[in-house]
Parts: sequence; structure tokens; C-alpha cells
Amino acid sequence: AQSVTQPDIHITVSEGASLELRCNYSYGATPYLFWYVQSPGQGLQLLLKYFSGDTLVQGIKGFEAEFKRSQSSFNLRKPSVHWSDAAEYFCAVGAPGGSYIPTFGRGTSLIVHP
Amino acid sequence: EAGVTQSPTHLIKTRGQQATLRCSPISGHTSVYWYQQALGLGLQFLLWYDEGEERNRGNFPPRFSGRQFPNYSSELNVNALELEDSALYLCASSPEGRRLFFGSGTQLSVL
Repeated sequence: AQSVTQPDIHITVSEGASLELRCNYSYGATPYLFWYVQSPGQGLQLLLKYFSGDTLVQGIKGFEAEFKRSQSSFNLRKPSVHWSDAAEYFCAVGAPGGSYIPTFGRGTSLIVHP
Repeated sequence: EAGVTQSPTHLIKTRGQQATLRCSPISGHTSVYWYQQALGLGLQFLLWYDEGEERNRGNFPPRFSGRQFPNYSSELNVNALELEDSALYLCASSPEGRRLFFGSGTQLSVL
């Protein structure tokens, strides 16, 4: 079974600073990888996904993530954070084929200071 | 195109009662997933329906149940409510079993 670890519960950055949110997964092969964002009181919105191919993935809202097989990581990055990026961010992993049940990390809360 | 819709937005029940939550997937999506998001615990997988059948369930007691209707909408039933069932219940639909599209959730409060 797959699992996901988001080691940072909270991350605080200043507006305009760069951002990196960490995600490590456990799975025997190359999984499907996702980042979702959740604003307060809302559902989850897909930021980006990795299925195969280019390991650097571009998403919406200026986010990108890089799949590193050797490190079992899929970290989310943004070069310049905006106050509106303050939200909860979830990394998720899915197993290709078979019974597909995405597993989510516990989330990282992003706080943006002006 | 309408997104995933969930109703009600908020639901307040007392311990021991039953709760019914509803979800309408995006048109054309046949799979519906239910997740529980309790404070500080992330998303915990509850149930997966596809083509009207329950395909998988998470590590939850049998008093959590549901069904999927012929139009692919779904409902989640929680019987004998307990205080710890208070959470945001999220429904998601999927067109191909990889990407999930989430609704805004039902906030269930058990008093």
C-alpha cells in the first residue's frame, strides 16, 4: 500500500518570498502524484499532477513540482508567494492500475506574512 | 460545466442520530469517492463507488455506509452518530480513476 508524508505541518513565508513544500511517498513503483490546495471552508482543488514523462510538472497559479525517484519526493515550489496562496496544501499518491484509491498526506498549512 | 455538488453544506445532529449526506458528481463521471476530513487528521478514505457498485471501503466501522444511484449521484449514511464523527465530509468524482474533482464538503457537527 502507498503512503504519503508531509513533514511540515505549518510553513510561514513572507509575501514575495519563494516557497517549497515537501512531500515524500512510499510506493514500490512509479506512482501517480498530485498536489491539491484547500482554502478555508472549501473542497480541494487540483494544482498539478504527475503520471509519467517530464519530471518537472507545471501547474496552475504559478506552482510547479519535481518528481525525484531517487528521493521518493514530489516537492511543490513557487518562486514568489502571494497573500492569496495562504491555504492548506495536500500531497497525494495513487497506484497506477488496479484498485485506485488516492492516499493523502496530512497537509501543510501555508501562512503568508505581508 | 457544473462541478461536484454536495448537500447540505452544514448538518447538525445529536449523538445517536443518523446523518445522510448527498453528492452529485460532474456530468460524465462514474466514480465517486467519499473522504472524512477531521481536524488535524488530513483526508481519510471512506468509500469508493463506481458504476453503482461499492468498489472499496476504508478503515471505518459498518455504521458508515452509502450507495450510488443509476445517475451516479451518491449518498453517505452515518448511523448511531458519535461525537468523533464531527468532521468535513468531502465527495469527489473522477472521469478516469486518476484525477479527483472535489466538492466543497458537508460540515457535520455531532452534539
